[in-house]
Amino acid sequence: EDQVTQSPEALRLQEGESSSLNCSYTVSGLRGLFWYRQDPGKGPEFLFTLYSAGEEKEKERLKATLTKKESFLHITAPKPEDSATYLCAVQAGSSGSARQLTFGSGTQLTVLP
Amino acid sequence: DGGITQSPKYLFRKEGQNVTLSCEQNLNHDAMYWYRQDPGQGLRLIYYSQIVNDFQKGDIAEGYSVSREKKESFPLTVTSAQKNPTAFYLCASTPRGYGYTFGSGTRLTVV
Repeated sequence: EDQVTQSPEALRLQEGESSSLNCSYTVSGLRGLFWYRQDPGKGPEFLFTLYSAGEEKEKERLKATLTKKESFLHITAPKPEDSATYLCAVQAGSSGSARQLTFGSGTQLTVLP
Repeated sequence: DGGITQSPKYLFRKEGQNVTLSCEQNLNHDAMYWYRQDPGQGLRLIYYSQIVNDFQKGDIAEGYSVSREKKESFPLTVTSAQKNPTAFYLCASTPRGYGYTFGSGTRLTVV
């Protein structure tokens, strides 16, 4: 059974205080690992897709990395507008053409001014 | 602009009542999905559809039903058999590739 575990559950940072969010996964043949941002009461917004170990992607203050067992979302010099819940999800090779995603429970990030 | 539209944004259900959540996409995506989100839990898959007139159960399909009569539409009915329906419901779609586009969600509350 595919599993995704995110840590910490909640993280409070001061503005400008860099940190990382963790996503550990067990999956039968990883096809892709996804990071989403979700604001309260809204649908998740796509951030990154990573396909193979060693891959990295960046967008503004965010950088996602991938190993064979986990992914990190690094946040550099965060601002209050980065406050949101960050979701990690994996797509397994066993999902076939259906392409289902298995989600973690998310990390709720709060950036204080 | 292309996207996924979910309606209504808020929905209230009485005990024993069936309610239907709407999901419409103009992205020309083949696959569509319904997820349920509860506080402190990850998104859980209810139903998905890869083509018109075909759909499959996800992990928590009991008490729910769907239809896919048009490529653009994938409505979800929450039946009276679903004993704990209060949750945030998300619809998503994807083309022949990776990554989902999500709607803005419907918050369902039992009153």
